[in-house]
Amino acid sequence: DSGVTQTPKHLITATGQRVTLRCSPRSGDLSVYWYQQSLDQGLQFLIQYYNGEERAKGNILERFSAQQFPDLHSELNLSSLELGDSALYFCASSPGDRGNHYGYTFGSGTRLTVV
Amino acid sequence: AQSVSQHNHHVILSEAASLELGCNYSYGGTVNLFWYVQYPGQHLQLLLKYFSGDPLVKGIKGFEAEFIKSKFSFNLRKPSVQWSDTAEYFCAVNQNSGYSTLTFGKGTMLLVSP
Repeated sequence: DSGVTQTPKHLITATGQRVTLRCSPRSGDLSVYWYQQSLDQGLQFLIQYYNGEERAKGNILERFSAQQFPDLHSELNLSSLELGDSALYFCASSPGDRGNHYGYTFGSGTRLTVV
Repeated sequence: AQSVSQHNHHVILSEAASLELGCNYSYGGTVNLFWYVQYPGQHLQLLLKYFSGDPLVKGIKGFEAEFIKSKFSFNLRKPSVQWSDTAEYFCAVNQNSGYSTLTFGKGTMLLVSP
C-alpha cells in the first residue's frame, strides 16, 4: 500500500456518459497529480493541484476537469466519454508543489472502460 | 520541455541474466532522473533516483543506474535478474530547479523466464 488511495478500481460506462474518479493523497502530501496511461501514449500528465489550487496543466482535454478539496482529496471528472478515453488513470502525490527531488507516490489506478 | 526515450519496448531474459534498460532524455538544463517499476496489477513504485552527487545510484532490489551527462542517459542495470523482476519499467525526468512535473518514457516491459 503506497498510501495514495484511488477509487473505484474499475469503471465501465457507455459513450457520452460522465464519471468521477477519486484520489486521496498520502498523508502529509499537498500535491496531487493525475496521469492517463494508455498502450499507445504511455503515461501522460493531465493536471496537478497543490493545496487546493491548480498548479499545472498537461495534455488534458476540455471534457476533463479536476479539483482538490480542503481535505486535499482530488476528483477527476471525465464527461462526454468516448471510446478513446478508455485507459488507466493514475493519481500521484508529493509533499511540495514541485516534487523535484522526491518524485511522486502513485496510487493503484482506476481502469476506465468506455463501451 | 523535457522528453524521455526508452529504447526497448519489450525485453525477454532468462533468470540470472544481466539486465540493462536504456533511457535517454532531452533537456538542456540540470535534471532529476527516476526509474519506476510497475508490477502486474500494481501501482508504480520508485526504484531509484538521481538528483546530484555520485552518478552511480543504487536502488531497491539490487537495481542501479548510471547518469552519464554527456550522453543524456540514465540506464538501469541489474547483474542477475529473477523471475520476480517481471514488470514494466519507466524512466522519468523533471527539471532540477523551478517548476517541473515528471515526464515519463513509454516504458519497457521485462519478462523474465524461470
